[in-house]
Amino acid sequence: GAVVSQHPSRVICKSGTSVKIECRSLDFQATTMFWYRQFPKQSLMLMATSNEGSKATYEQGVEKDKFLINHASLTLSTLTVTSAHPEDSSFYICSARVPTTRGRRQYFGPGTRLTVT
Amino acid sequence: AQKITQTQPGMFVQEKEAVTLDCTYDTSDQSYGLFWYKQPSSGEMIFLIYQGSYDEQNATEGRYSLNFQKARKSANLVISASQLGDSAMYFCAMREGSGVQGAQKLVFGQGTRLTINP
Repeated sequence: GAVVSQHPSRVICKSGTSVKIECRSLDFQATTMFWYRQFPKQSLMLMATSNEGSKATYEQGVEKDKFLINHASLTLSTLTVTSAHPEDSSFYICSARVPTTRGRRQYFGPGTRLTVT
Repeated sequence: AQKITQTQPGMFVQEKEAVTLDCTYDTSDQSYGLFWYKQPSSGEMIFLIYQGSYDEQNATEGRYSLNFQKARKSANLVISASQLGDSAMYFCAMREGSGVQGAQKLVFGQGTRLTINP
C-alpha cells in the first residue's frame, strides 16, 4: 500500500522556538495532504488541509499564523509550529489522500510527538 | 452535534473470541464513506476497512467486517477470532460527500480501547 513518512518522529524544543515537521508521500503523488493533532487519550482533530500549489485550508479555531503549512511539491507538505508554547505539545499526524483507492482512502504517517519545554 | 459516536471507551475480550466495536454517525448527506482505523501504542493509524454509503454489501477485509445498518446510521466493526496483537485503540471515521472534490476531510469518533486477554 501507499507509504507516508514523517520527520522527525520526536522533537523536544524550548518555548518560543519554531519547529518544522515534514510529511512525505513516498511512492505516490499527493495533491492533498491533511494535518491532524491528537492529545493524549483523545481523538484526532483535523487542523488543516494542505493543497499542492495553493494555500492551506484551516479548520475553525486553528491559528494559521501559528501553524504554517507549505505544500511545495506533490510529495512534500510541511507544518511549522511557530513560537511554540507548552500547550502546543501534542502528537501531530499527517495523511495523504490517494484518489485511486476505494473510498479515496487517506494513508497516515507515523506521527511526530512534539514536546515544548 | 457529534458526527461520529463511539460509546465504548474500553472493551476487554478473551483471545479467539469475536468482538464488535460500536459506531454511530450523523449526516444529512446521501453520499458518504465510513472508515475504521487501528492505532497501536506506536501511534500510527492503520486502515482496516471502508464502507461506502451506496455499497449494498457489508465490507469485509480478512478478519474484519463492517456491520452497516444505514437506516440506523450505524457502522459497527466486527473482529473475528481476536488475537493479542489486536489490542489497540480503534477509531471510526466518516467522510461526508463523495470525496471527489470539496468534502474530503475525515471526522473521527472518540475511539475505543480494545484489550485482548490471553
